[in-house]
Amino acid sequence: EAGVAQSPRYKIIEKRQSVAFWCNPISGHATLYWYQQILGQGPKLLIQFQNNGVVDDSQLPKDRFSAERLKGVDSTLKIQPAKLEDSAVYLCASSLSSYGQYFGPGTRLTVT
Amino acid sequence: AQRVTQPEKLLSVFKGAPVELKCNYSYSGSPELFWYVQYSRQRLQLLLRHISRESIKGFTADLNKGETSFHLKKPFAQEEDSAMYYCALDAGGTSYGKLTFGQGTILTVHP
Repeated sequence: EAGVAQSPRYKIIEKRQSVAFWCNPISGHATLYWYQQILGQGPKLLIQFQNNGVVDDSQLPKDRFSAERLKGVDSTLKIQPAKLEDSAVYLCASSLSSYGQYFGPGTRLTVT
Repeated sequence: AQRVTQPEKLLSVFKGAPVELKCNYSYSGSPELFWYVQYSRQRLQLLLRHISRESIKGFTADLNKGETSFHLKKPFAQEEDSAMYYCALDAGGTSYGKLTFGQGTILTVHP
């Protein structure tokens, strides 16, 4: 089966610009997650979707970050405006059951 | 709130030596614990979960609720085990599926 797909793989923007990331989960996976991984740290959950509804977005900086999952499949994560501290790898993951999460390759964002 | 601590940022062993990657957690309930691994130039992937009580690639991990630990062990390390390892906790309940990760341990196995 195809794995979780993410694009772009790399993005460099200037602070105060906007950026969007796209994720396509494994077919049939109802739950989708976005994580932020800052260099030297473990991934931190930003938002969790169950189908197209938000389950948990308690750690999403809602003043600048937004995410949506239309039709319960693909998802986009947007940052507007970006700050220097947003430089990180953004990981998307999906899961079908309680067995575990499947991760995408990530998008490396550099904010200058 | 739950917390996962991996005290060693770097761990080096020689091929054939035993290896233990430490993971401690703080959570008052009954969590589900996982080990994830990221090999060079590959995506993060699940290695094993405590509920399965399985051995994957020679690795095992036992949940010790008394010591709140979930250390990952392998009796004879191989060069291909060199990778970044993350311990993660799922608190369950209303937080089901929400993983809290440790900071990771870079394991290097020397020939």
